[in-house]
Amino acid sequence: DAGITQSPRHKVTETGTPVTLRCHQTENHRYMYWYRQDPGHGLRLIHYSYGVKDTDKGEVSDGYSVSRSKTEDFLLTLESATSSQTSVYFCAISRGLSEQYFGPGTRLTVT
Amino acid sequence: GESVGLHLPTLSVQEGDNSIINCAYSNSASDYFIWYKQESGKGPQFIIDIRSNMDKRQGQRVTVLLNKTVKHLSLQIAATQPGDSAVYFCAEREDGNEKLTFGTGTRLTIIP
Repeated sequence: DAGITQSPRHKVTETGTPVTLRCHQTENHRYMYWYRQDPGHGLRLIHYSYGVKDTDKGEVSDGYSVSRSKTEDFLLTLESATSSQTSVYFCAISRGLSEQYFGPGTRLTVT
Repeated sequence: GESVGLHLPTLSVQEGDNSIINCAYSNSASDYFIWYKQESGKGPQFIIDIRSNMDKRQGQRVTVLLNKTVKHLSLQIAATQPGDSAVYFCAEREDGNEKLTFGTGTRLTIIP
């Protein structure tokens, strides 16, 4: 997974607490994405970014916010975590017209 | 709304045989169709893509076929190996739209 890392890789948190997931890339790509993956739903886009301070919503953005203050970092924040946000979260960068390159994922459990 | 889906959720294939994974799509405006492979505990990995103006594209041991008439996409894997066991996703994208829409996935199991 050289080129893109996610932290933390695993996290358990309680309902109502804030959580921030970090995605870091070393390839200087403009586009970055946050997805969640749940059984039976495949990958669903939460938010994406097309440059520093430029972000937009995906199909499941409610309850999530993002920030991108540097090209290499894209942060996903759950302001007040809920059990429905228990999922595996993947960050991706766009390497071409159709190729997105994914990070290793963060498994988040909200109790 | 528009969606990308798969015909079969699971597929078991004997090692050495060829496998075919199918995908139906409904967005006639899609310009790119992509296949991803996801191994257990890892992020999805790009395999191959095809533009809407093509009907076939070959890679290393993989071939993607596109039938725009019936809005059908397939991934053929030749001479399957144990390392091919994974979940395979199809995805689509419209030109000018940087977002991908993914299907729900097919689990391919290779039987030794």
